[in-house]
Amino acid sequence: DTEVTQTPKHLVMGMTNKKSLKCEQHMGHRAMYWYKQKAKKPPELMFVYSYEKLSINESVPSRFSPECPNSSLLNLHLHALQPEDSALYLCASSQGFGRLDEKLFFGSGTQLSVL
Amino acid sequence: GESVGLHLPTLSVQEGDNSIINCAYSNSASDYFIWYKQESGKGPQFIIDIRSNMDKRQGQRVTVLLNKTVKHLSLQIAATQPGDSAVYFCAEKVGNKLVFGAGTILRVKS
Repeated sequence: DTEVTQTPKHLVMGMTNKKSLKCEQHMGHRAMYWYKQKAKKPPELMFVYSYEKLSINESVPSRFSPECPNSSLLNLHLHALQPEDSALYLCASSQGFGRLDEKLFFGSGTQLSVL
Repeated sequence: GESVGLHLPTLSVQEGDNSIINCAYSNSASDYFIWYKQESGKGPQFIIDIRSNMDKRQGQRVTVLLNKTVKHLSLQIAATQPGDSAVYFCAEKVGNKLVFGAGTILRVKS
């Protein structure tokens, strides 16, 4: 199994809603990532978890709250988002974190629209 | 009118021709590079990687060339096929982070 699975594929939410994005991998990878991608732009790193601990937070606003319940699962909790937060949210995993030749494997993303 | 910054560079090639996609990276200390392919509605897909101690690496139908002197990376695709149509991103390892370049759209004409 070489897949990173993300749910839901599409999400529409209002600015007062609370929602969660989910990501799962069964490759035995110990690092998991959240990236944000706006249309026609490259993915931008948001968070990195290594061995279920938060290793990197790229100064992401607190309305985005990541959670790593175990080494296979990664969640992104959303609350009080703004319309400019509409984007494709990508989850990725890698075998480890901090090694030179770390290959990231990406899911298909959740396309989020904030109204 | 539209902003120039919203337009990705586009490479149009005829099916069967070779494609060369270029990337200028920013950090001279970067020591690892990856090319990703992203099709519409999908996440980036790993194509090929190269360490900074190499200047060329070949895969199946793809070759990556690295010129550290001018901080330039290229991806060559042989015998380009319609299924190669996608956005291609180079990514460089900056410290512990993988940072993506701007991307290039590859369009294959049949």
